[in-house]
Amino acid sequence: GQNIDQPTEMTATEGAIVQINCTYQTSGFNGLFWYQQHAGEAPTFLSYNVLDGLEEKGRFSSFLSRSKGYSYLLLKELQMKDSASYLCAVKGSNYQLIWGAGTKLIIKP
Amino acid sequence: SQTIHQWPATLVQPVGSPLSLECTVEGTSNPNLYWYRQAAGRGLQLLFYSVGIGQISSEVPQNLSASRPQDRQFILSSKKLLLSDSGFYLCAWSFRTGRNEKLFFGSGTQLSVL
Repeated sequence: GQNIDQPTEMTATEGAIVQINCTYQTSGFNGLFWYQQHAGEAPTFLSYNVLDGLEEKGRFSSFLSRSKGYSYLLLKELQMKDSASYLCAVKGSNYQLIWGAGTKLIIKP
Repeated sequence: SQTIHQWPATLVQPVGSPLSLECTVEGTSNPNLYWYRQAAGRGLQLLFYSVGIGQISSEVPQNLSASRPQDRQFILSSKKLLLSDSGFYLCAWSFRTGRNEKLFFGSGTQLSVL
């Protein structure tokens, strides 16, 4: 079967760094996405990785290792507004997205 | 620039009543269109996707249906709602530029079936 695993909830302190992990088992791989979703709102795009390595975009970075079926989202200089759910999604062999259940990130002052 | 509109934002419907949710995209042509449902604490579940007018693929058998009467219009319907149809419904569209591809979501509809 196809599976996306990410922690249910994480807590971090304002100004700190947090890493949210995502592991996947899918039939085929055509890219991995990270989305941010605030409560009651639609997900918004953060990053897309299709090749191994680190993609940096401001305070957010995303890493991919295809051989390990692993990705992480790194958030630096955490702000209170970063409190949200972070969704990992993998595009499989049929080019459809398989979504993880999301990681709820709680930022404390 | 491209925008996606989805309405209504919230909806409370009795069991057995019909449903119609509408989604339109502006600023692009021939987009791929999607309907997702998100239950509380769970991942997004793909319900339908469409690569063109009149072309609908269903991912999950259920009492919902979708139609694409125009290039940039996607409609989610039901003849008789069930309690289990409650959830957060999201319309989305996607485009690809080279190696990069992005999925953009509408603002969502919170449906409560009572």
